[in-house]
Amino acid sequence: EVQLVESGGGLVQPGGSLRLSCAASGFTFSSHWMHWVRQAPGKGLVWVSRISDDGSSTSYADSVKGRFTISRDNADNILYLQINSLRAEDTAVYYCARGIVTARGSVDHWGQGTLVTVSS
Amino acid sequence: EIVLTQSPATLSLSPGERATLSCRVSQGVSSYLAWYQQKPGQAPRLLIYDASNRATGIPARFSGSGSGTDFTLIISSLEPEDFAIYYCQQRSNWPLTFGGGTKVEIK
Repeated sequence: EVQLVESGGGLVQPGGSLRLSCAASGFTFSSHWMHWVRQAPGKGLVWVSRISDDGSSTSYADSVKGRFTISRDNADNILYLQINSLRAEDTAVYYCARGIVTARGSVDHWGQGTLVTVSS
Repeated sequence: EIVLTQSPATLSLSPGERATLSCRVSQGVSSYLAWYQQKPGQAPRLLIYDASNRATGIPARFSGSGSGTDFTLIISSLEPEDFAIYYCQQRSNWPLTFGGGTKVEIK
């Protein structure tokens, strides 16, 4: 069974940093692109970032470029999102999601999400 | 950035009725469009990818169609568990973008 378990969220002050983690199991992690998608309270889904299966290629939404860094550890099956210079508008549930091998920009499994709250 | 516009924003229907959801895209995305379902307090679930391919385990009452700029998700006969919010998403261009969602509610 595919499982994605996020952790690392919490309350942080504006300008602060967090590192989110996503532990993957039940599939060959190194064969899949991985994504982070966020959802502000009561709002829709917003794609944040993706990383290729081998970690050599990444992409970011303009709103987080330069502040967020996606990475992965294929030996330990963990996806990361380093988030710096946090702003109030970054408050959201952050989901990690698995890309479909044959349709990498679509995601077929999602974690349960981790809540990041940016507030003083 | 490609913009996805979903309509209607809310669809009020009864169990057993047919639901037709629309997703219009600001520029052609070929067939690179997916549909997701999200229930309150839950993560989204993939229903359809590449316009018309049902994801694993998705019932046959869900079907997707379209290409280019106009896409449709049809739920042929609503079950009680189908009342939720539905999002479309394109994977043709970066950044990936989602529509604003259609809420299917019980009438």
